[in-house]
Amino acid sequence: DARVTQTPRDKVTEMGQEVTMRCQPILGHNTVFWYRQTMMQGLELLAYFRNRAPLDDSGMPKDRFSAEMPDATLATLKIQPSEPRDSAVYFCASGLSLGAISSNEQFFGPGTRLTVL
Amino acid sequence: GQNIDQPTEMTATEGAIVQINCTYQTSGFNGLFWYQQHAGEAPTFLSYNVLDGLEEKGRFSSFLSRSKGYSYLLLKELQMKDSASYLCAPRNDYKLSFGAGTTVTVRA
Repeated sequence: DARVTQTPRDKVTEMGQEVTMRCQPILGHNTVFWYRQTMMQGLELLAYFRNRAPLDDSGMPKDRFSAEMPDATLATLKIQPSEPRDSAVYFCASGLSLGAISSNEQFFGPGTRLTVL
Repeated sequence: GQNIDQPTEMTATEGAIVQINCTYQTSGFNGLFWYQQHAGEAPTFLSYNVLDGLEEKGRFSSFLSRSKGYSYLLLKELQMKDSASYLCAPRNDYKLSFGAGTTVTVRA
């Protein structure tokens, strides 16, 4: 049963601390997405990777957020320093990009619920 | 930019039918997704439309009119487990833009 996995599932930290969230995409998928979900803003795209290359990080606050894919089985999202307004659920999703007409469905991980005090 | 409009809430009884409408204005378009999200869980894929018309998948159907910037999700024979948020998400190239979601409550 192939699934996207994310760790940690819950994280409570204090303002100013570094937070690292990890994602293991489904084996064989070539796209990875990071989303943030809040009640106010809904689901927002933070970053997009294809074949491990970062193609879009326009949704990320550049001064404190960074996203990487050290290898095909791991994607990371870091916040340094964290702020209370970063409190949200962070989802990772992966997919297989087969062209413009294909659904290229995204499969979401369970999310990391981040609380910054 | 993207502008996606769907109702905030809908309530229906078990066994009934509910239709969730979504209108969108996007700078580019190559398909529209519907996702289901139960409270505290991740979104899960329901349907995808790239051409005009109706796609049926069991109790769920989705319709698209590209010229009108309009889609709907039809849920038939509602069950209690269908209580969830339903997210409309038009796609531009690789990028999905999610609406705020429609919370559907199914009552016995």
